[in-house]
Amino acid sequence: AQSVTQLGSHVSVSEGALVLLRCNYSSSVPPYLFWYVQYPNQGLQLLLKYTSAATLVKGINGFEAEFKKSETSFHLTKPSAHMSDAAEYFCAVTTLSGGYNKLIFGAGTRLAVHP
Amino acid sequence: SQTIHQWPATLVQPVGSPLSLECTVEGTSNPNLYWYRQAAGRGLQLLFYSVGIGQISSEVPQNLSASRPQDRQFILSSKKLLLSDSGFYLCAWTRLPNNEQFFGPGTRLTVL
Repeated sequence: AQSVTQLGSHVSVSEGALVLLRCNYSSSVPPYLFWYVQYPNQGLQLLLKYTSAATLVKGINGFEAEFKKSETSFHLTKPSAHMSDAAEYFCAVTTLSGGYNKLIFGAGTRLAVHP
Repeated sequence: SQTIHQWPATLVQPVGSPLSLECTVEGTSNPNLYWYRQAAGRGLQLLFYSVGIGQISSEVPQNLSASRPQDRQFILSSKKLLLSDSGFYLCAWTRLPNNEQFFGPGTRLTVL
């Protein structure tokens, strides 16, 4: 069965510093992987996705993630944090259950950016 | 382009009252639809998903139910709300084949 683990429920960085949010997955088949962002009282917005093409995936707002099969990881990075990046971030993997595709989400990482 | 709507945006209901939350999708046909709940400070819990009209699968036994009366309409209901039903309810639809999900703006439900 597929699963997702996000290391660190809270991450705090200074404005301009590197952002690194960790995600490890477990999957018995080649996975599709996603990162979503959620601002307070809003729905989730897709940041980027890996669908078995390039292993380095670029998304919106300057974020990128690298799929590393040997490490079963899909960490999210951004070279320079901005105050507007403060939000909650969710990593997700596809799974097949009962004949239908579903997404399995990690518990989320709340990113704080301080001046 | 596709859009997904949810209403109401916020709702305050007394314990024991009924519930009906609505989700509609525009700009696509035969979507897979999902209901999630986020309790305060927690991740997403999948409640129901649907692959077509009248086809509902439940992930977690509880006092909630879901219905899909039309292709692009997904309704979450309860006959009697519990305090534990409070949370942020999100509807989503899937774009195949890579299972990318698009989320609605959510409904904040407070049960008092």
